[in-house]
Amino acid sequence: QVRLVESGGGVVQPGSSLRLSCAASGMTFSNYAIHWVRRAPGKGLEWVAVIWYDGTKKYYGDSVKGRFTVSRDTSKSTVYLQMSSLRQEDTAVYYCARDGSIEVAFMDLWGNGTTVTVSS
Amino acid sequence: EIVVTQSPATLSVSPGERATLSCRASQSVGMKLAWYQQKPGQAPRLLIYDASTRAIGIPAIGIPARFSGSGSGTEFTLTISSLQPEDFAVYYCQQYNNWPYTFGQGTKLEIK
Repeated sequence: QVRLVESGGGVVQPGSSLRLSCAASGMTFSNYAIHWVRRAPGKGLEWVAVIWYDGTKKYYGDSVKGRFTVSRDTSKSTVYLQMSSLRQEDTAVYYCARDGSIEVAFMDLWGNGTTVTVSS
Repeated sequence: EIVVTQSPATLSVSPGERATLSCRASQSVGMKLAWYQQKPGQAPRLLIYDASTRAIGIPAIGIPARFSGSGSGTEFTLTISSLQPEDFAVYYCQQYNNWPYTFGQGTKLEIK
């Protein structure tokens, strides 16, 4: 069964760090770019970051650039999102999603999300 | 950053009727636009990509033909021809022509 499973969410204080994981199964992990997308309470989806299938390219949304870092470990079929200098506005459900194109574009498979709450 | 604006924010339609959702980009994105459906407590689901191509879906059961996408440049439309009870959800469009990729704020499709 093809699936993505996020983990690592929790409640943290402003200014702290947290690492999210996205474990893939049922697919050839090294063939796919992986995105991170979040949905804050009461708001819409926000694209966060993407890492190329081979890890050579990474892009970030403006609101997280310089604070979040995406990486991948092919041996574990896992993508990570390292989040630092967390702010209250980073509170959201974080989804990882598989890229469904050959040129890194849209997302055709999503995980169920992990919740991050930044609060003092 | 390309700003993507969806309208209306909420659309009330009766089952069996047609729903038309709009998405506008602040600059041309060509055909590089996708539509997603999200139901409460669930992950988003890809419906349409490249503005008008229906997704296969995972598992590969296909997106129903009642969903169709159209448009190019800055103006796009998602049409659901005959609303089924399971179609009431929030719909998002996403541009992937320029970095950073951006989503619209969503249209909530509710039962009238």
